[in-house]
Amino acid sequence: GENVEQHPSTLSVQEGDSAVIKCTYSDSASNYFPWYKQELGKRPQLIIDIRSNVGEKKDQRIAVTLNKTAKHFSLHITETQPEDSAVYFCAASMGYTGNQFYFGTGTSLTVIP
Amino acid sequence: GAVVSQHPSRVICKSGTSVKIECRSLDFQATTMFWYRQFPKKSLMLMATSNEGSKATYEQGVEKDKFLINHASLTLSTLTVTSAHPEDSSFYICSARTGQGADTQYFGPGTRLTVL
Repeated sequence: GENVEQHPSTLSVQEGDSAVIKCTYSDSASNYFPWYKQELGKRPQLIIDIRSNVGEKKDQRIAVTLNKTAKHFSLHITETQPEDSAVYFCAASMGYTGNQFYFGTGTSLTVIP
Repeated sequence: GAVVSQHPSRVICKSGTSVKIECRSLDFQATTMFWYRQFPKKSLMLMATSNEGSKATYEQGVEKDKFLINHASLTLSTLTVTSAHPEDSSFYICSARTGQGADTQYFGPGTRLTVL
């Protein structure tokens, strides 16, 4: 089955700096890659996603890049703010042919004011 | 849109009792719902995939007789933890897809189960 690895497990940045979280996946059939943000005791919230026919997607301060050849995708947060502090999970899925999400192990991001 | 609710949000029970957790899609029909378990500071562990009108598909290592899943309608799936023990204490989260061909899963707020 699919195996998703996520790094780093913890990340601290100064407010205003950028944060980058990287994930790799093993199954080339995966074609849908969402990113979720989870605050303590809350539900995971979808923040951005990308499909395999696209190399990059941006939504304000958040962007995701995908390298299908290398089987890795990254989350980029620019101009970080304290409210960005949370745990971020990446996931990989085979989309229409299989609905299961394979989650990464999570990255705890702390933005220091 | 795409709101998923869960009830209860917290439950404390005695060892040996059963607990039922409900997951509802409020503004859409969900043919598929997923049940996850999450330990503190850990990732989401998929327990089972629940399809409306059919038996759930359990992940390896998840006891289907202990974690009973019922998906009786397009808006409701239930997880019953039977004969709960302290090691079953955890955060249980459900998610749902918005429809056929839709990739995204939307998560419920989770249920904190504590077994004494």
